Amino acid sequence: DIQMTQSPSSLSASVGDRVTITCRASQSISSYLNWYQQKPGKAPKLLIYAASSLQSGVPSRFSGSGSGTDFTLTISSLQPEDFATYYCQQSYSTPDTFGQGTRLEIK
Amino acid sequence: QITLKESGPTLVKPTQTLTLTCTFSGFSLSTSGVGVGWIRQPPGKALEWLALIYWDDDKRYSPSLKSRLTITKDTSKNQVVLTMTNMDPVDTATYYCAHIEYEHAGGLGFDYWGQGTLVTVSS
Repeated sequence: DIQMTQSPSSLSASVGDRVTITCRASQSISSYLNWYQQKPGKAPKLLIYAASSLQSGVPSRFSGSGSGTDFTLTISSLQPEDFATYYCQQSYSTPDTFGQGTRLEIK
Repeated sequence: QITLKESGPTLVKPTQTLTLTCTFSGFSLSTSGVGVGWIRQPPGKALEWLALIYWDDDKRYSPSLKSRLTITKDTSKNQVVLTMTNMDPVDTATYYCAHIEYEHAGGLGFDYWGQGTLVTVSS
């Protein structure tokens, strides 16, 4: 299995801050890296697919970059509705493993 | 538009077999490049990929659970069924099904999800 490691596991930030979450794969996954946002009691929501493609309807303050083994999710200016848990997932090789999550909290 | 919904028991006893059904609309699982996956999430924990079935009936499973899982599809009913044998309290989780599309070398993320169904394993 390909292991996905996210950092940090939790993060405190303020509205308006620029935030970056990183995800590292245990082997190259080309650009098959996806980012999800999950709020309590809700299903995950796809934000970014194929490392840098913005899913339809997702605000442009979300962006993704990277290839190979190292990837980042950036939120350019945090909004109140962005406080949630974020997961990366590789879809290069089954099982399509998820990272352990990054909890983004209000400072 | 694409929708998916999970159904099945909310409570199962240890050692029993769990059968979950994902009923979907807005796409066909016979269309090239389309897949439906199952993902679970124990309370307060991370997402775990379980299984996936492709448009061509290829099936993939989590290696750690492969001996316990079976995924099937009924294209005419727009349903995907996941069975998990020998349930244990550690299998207590919210189980989701989700839609995914594939290009040549990989998937493009689970873009549509069901609401999830909480399954509790307890005697």
